Amino acid sequence: ETGVTQTPRHLVMGMTNKKSLKCEQHLGHNAMYWYKQSAKKPLELMFVYNFKEQTENNSVPSRFSPECPNSSHLFLHLHTLQPEDSALYLCASSQGDAGEETQYFGPGTRLLVL
Amino acid sequence: QKEVEQDPGPLSVPEGAIVSLNCTYSNSAFQYFMWYRQYSRKGPELLMYTYSSGNKEDGRFTAQVDKSSKYISLFIRDSQPSDSATYLCAMSEDQGAQKLVFGQGTRLTINP
Repeated sequence: ETGVTQTPRHLVMGMTNKKSLKCEQHLGHNAMYWYKQSAKKPLELMFVYNFKEQTENNSVPSRFSPECPNSSHLFLHLHTLQPEDSALYLCASSQGDAGEETQYFGPGTRLLVL
Repeated sequence: QKEVEQDPGPLSVPEGAIVSLNCTYSNSAFQYFMWYRQYSRKGPELLMYTYSSGNKEDGRFTAQVDKSSKYISLFIRDSQPSDSATYLCAMSEDQGAQKLVFGQGTRLTINP
């Protein structure tokens, strides 16, 4: 595997379900991100982790719970979601230090909440 | 007012045409400007990265930044059907670019 991978690629869940999204980066990066991409809206940054520590929580509802056990893995735990949470959830990673930064994105998980 | 404004399109042009994609922004503290390309069912990939005002060219792609007007552009010369994608502008105040602010994205189709 190379780059940033995400599983599952598609997920359908009911509002009472609990599920988790997984992201793995094979780039040796130290920063990881969760974004939400909804139709006709800009990419919304949700969480940022640097060296496994959460450094940004962009006022995300508590029904989204991130977890970063190490610099290569990032999870997004989902529970009691709402239909308006249906979107493409993108994970990204970057080097995490000063210098010209590029964020590398995974293919995303397409989430549908019924 | 949105921090970054980008016309969502869709934009459809014939193969070989010159394409111009644009974003405007309101935050004068933005210094780093990026263009990402996103193919259907894929994540965004970085296309161009520029700092401050000026032009940057890479093959058929040219990025322009005009900080005085708070306006950035991406030009695609000799457009190809493979350029059909959604193009996202993004910008950041700091070099680390961890807090990127994205435009809505412009969906572009190049017709053979």
